[in-house]
Amino acid sequence: DAGVTQSPTHLIKTRGQHVTLRCSPISGHKSVSWYQQVLGQGPQFIFQYYEKEERGRGNFPDRFSARQFPNYSSELNVNALLLGDSALYLCASSFINEQFFGPGTRLTVL
Amino acid sequence: ILNVEQSPQSLHVQEGDSTNFTCSFPSSNFYALHWYRWETAKSPEALFVMTLNGDEKKKGRISATLNTKEGYSYLYIKGSQPEDSATYLCASHHRDDKIIFGKGTRLHILP
Repeated sequence: DAGVTQSPTHLIKTRGQHVTLRCSPISGHKSVSWYQQVLGQGPQFIFQYYEKEERGRGNFPDRFSARQFPNYSSELNVNALLLGDSALYLCASSFINEQFFGPGTRLTVL
Repeated sequence: ILNVEQSPQSLHVQEGDSTNFTCSFPSSNFYALHWYRWETAKSPEALFVMTLNGDEKKKGRISATLNTKEGYSYLYIKGSQPEDSATYLCASHHRDDKIIFGKGTRLHILP
């Protein structure tokens, strides 16, 4: 059974561009969360979606948005990229209390 | 601002020795405490989820305890092995659906 998958694995963008990151949860999991992890820090919570509705939002600007589709996959969108958005973006799907993480997307903003 | 603090930040342990580290979390609106092991170039792997004060969980040589009243959790590793080298993250999950991660404890097992 496939775990959480994310695409792309790596991405290089320039300042001002926008980016879309994708996540497919484990089959049967209806909740997806997004995290940003910069070097030396723990993952920072961005969003949680459950049954296509936003359940929680971290302290991120409106440039960050997300959505969840009927098949429970999710997209994270970041507009007007800044250098500081360079990070590893992790997606996690959850069932009851347990979260399972994907391998992440490494975003580099030049 | 709610913070999760983990200590120590980094730890070197001789193979075969036992070790433990700490996670302090805000106790307000607490729902669950998660521990993860994160090896380089891999996804964080869930170790434990604990919800009740006094919970103790064990998986092989690794165990964890939870004190929700004072807001801390300990992770113990018995008889450290080289494959235990990783960053150990804890995260507190609150009833407003906020999940807060600590910065992790980086564990190095010395042969």
